[in-house]
Amino acid sequence: QVQLQESGPGLVKPSETLSLTCTVSGGSMSNYYWTWIRQPPGKRLEWIGNVYYSGSTNYNPSLESRLTISIDTSKNQFSLRLTSVTAADAAVYYCVGGATWLPDQWGQGTLVTVSS
Amino acid sequence: EIVLTQSPGTLSLSPGETATLSCRASQSVRSNYLAWYQRKPGQAPKILIYGASNRAIGIPDRLSGSGSGTDFTLTISRLEPEDFAVYYCQQYGSSPLTFGGGTKVEIK
Repeated sequence: QVQLQESGPGLVKPSETLSLTCTVSGGSMSNYYWTWIRQPPGKRLEWIGNVYYSGSTNYNPSLESRLTISIDTSKNQFSLRLTSVTAADAAVYYCVGGATWLPDQWGQGTLVTVSS
Repeated sequence: EIVLTQSPGTLSLSPGETATLSCRASQSVRSNYLAWYQRKPGQAPKILIYGASNRAIGIPDRLSGSGSGTDFTLTISRLEPEDFAVYYCQQYGSSPLTFGGGTKVEIK
C-alpha cells in the first residue's frame, strides 16, 4: 500500500490562496485517482475533488470556481490550490488515493487555519 | 448531490454487544457504491466496507455491511474495545462524493 503525506502552510490569510501538496511513497501513481477531502471543525467530511494519474480532474461544484488540483507523477506528488479563502475553508485537509473513485488510502491529514 | 443521513448520532453499548448503524440516502446510490469508514481520535478514516457489503482487506467478519438503493446498514457483532470509534458512510456512485454525519459508538 502506498503512503501519503500532506504538506503546506498551516495558516493562510483570508482572501489569499491555500496551497497543499501530497507526496506519495511506496508505489506508483499510475492508474490511481488522487483525491482531496476536508473536514471543517464540527462539520462533516467534504469531498473536494480528484485527479487521475493522466491529469484529468473532477471537482466539487461548490468549490470549482476557486479550485485547481494538479498532479506531477515525476515527483510522485499531487497538489491542491484554493483561491480566495475564507474562514469557511479552515479544516483538516486529507489527501487520499484509490484505484477507483473510492478513497481508500488516506494521509494523516493537515490542519489549515484561516486567519489574519 | 446525494445527502446521507446517519442514525443514531451516538450508540452507547458494552463490549460483546452488537452495534447496528444506519445510513439513509436522499436518492438511490448508483450501483450500491456505498462505503463505511472508521475513525479514531487523531487518526485518518480507515475504510471498512465498500460496495455496500464487501469487507476491505484485513477487516474481520464481525463487521458486515448490507443494504441497497437508499438504505444501508453497518453491523458490528461482538463489540471489542477497538471498535469504539466514529463511523461514517460515504457514497461514491455520483459526483460530488458525499459523506454522512457520522455515528459515534461509545462504551456504555
